[in-house]
Amino acid sequence: GAGVSQSPSNKVTEKGKDVELRCDPISGHTALYWYRQSLGQGLEFLIYFQGNSAPDKSGLPSDRFSAERTGGSVSTLTIQRTQQEDSAVYLCASSLRVAGPYNEQFFGPGTRLTVL
Amino acid sequence: ILNVEQSPQSLHVQEGDSTNFTCSFPSSNFYALHWYRWETAKSPEALFVMTLNGDEKKKGRISATLNTKEGYSYLYIKGSQPEDSATYLCAFLYNQGGKLIFGQGTELSVKP
Repeated sequence: GAGVSQSPSNKVTEKGKDVELRCDPISGHTALYWYRQSLGQGLEFLIYFQGNSAPDKSGLPSDRFSAERTGGSVSTLTIQRTQQEDSAVYLCASSLRVAGPYNEQFFGPGTRLTVL
Repeated sequence: ILNVEQSPQSLHVQEGDSTNFTCSFPSSNFYALHWYRWETAKSPEALFVMTLNGDEKKKGRISATLNTKEGYSYLYIKGSQPEDSATYLCAFLYNQGGKLIFGQGTELSVKP
């Protein structure tokens, strides 16, 4: 079946512009996660959606970052007034189970964001 | 602050060599440890999910062990092949919510 898809695959923007990154999770997966990898850094958790519960936003680095998940499926990560330090690969993942240790996460191919 | 550390940061081996890397994580509030392989230009792919102290998992030439009391996991690759070249990530799950805390990864390069 189809895996997690993300769009765009690459995005170049100017400092101060807003960007939207999209994630389509695997059908039927109730949990959806956003991570990012900045140059030379590990994968950093940003936000987590679990079914209809309030999202865990504890990883969002500033109030310029927000995310929503419509209809329990597609998610959009929005970065307002982008800064050069926002340049990174943004990865989305989804998992079948809402919770539990065996919730193997399936990752999308990522969006490479470059802020000039 | 929850910290997951991996070593070495990078590793260059010859085809046929066996190798291993380490993942260190907090020993308290342990829920699960995930290992992922991330090949260049591809998505991270799950290798193992480990939950019990003393767990050993195996997939082909790759195996992993887990020690939750002392907070470490080892990943072993027997007879490395060029196709094993990738970054190997471990991630710590400390509650049921699914929020993974990743290490920085070990970048493995296997030369033919």
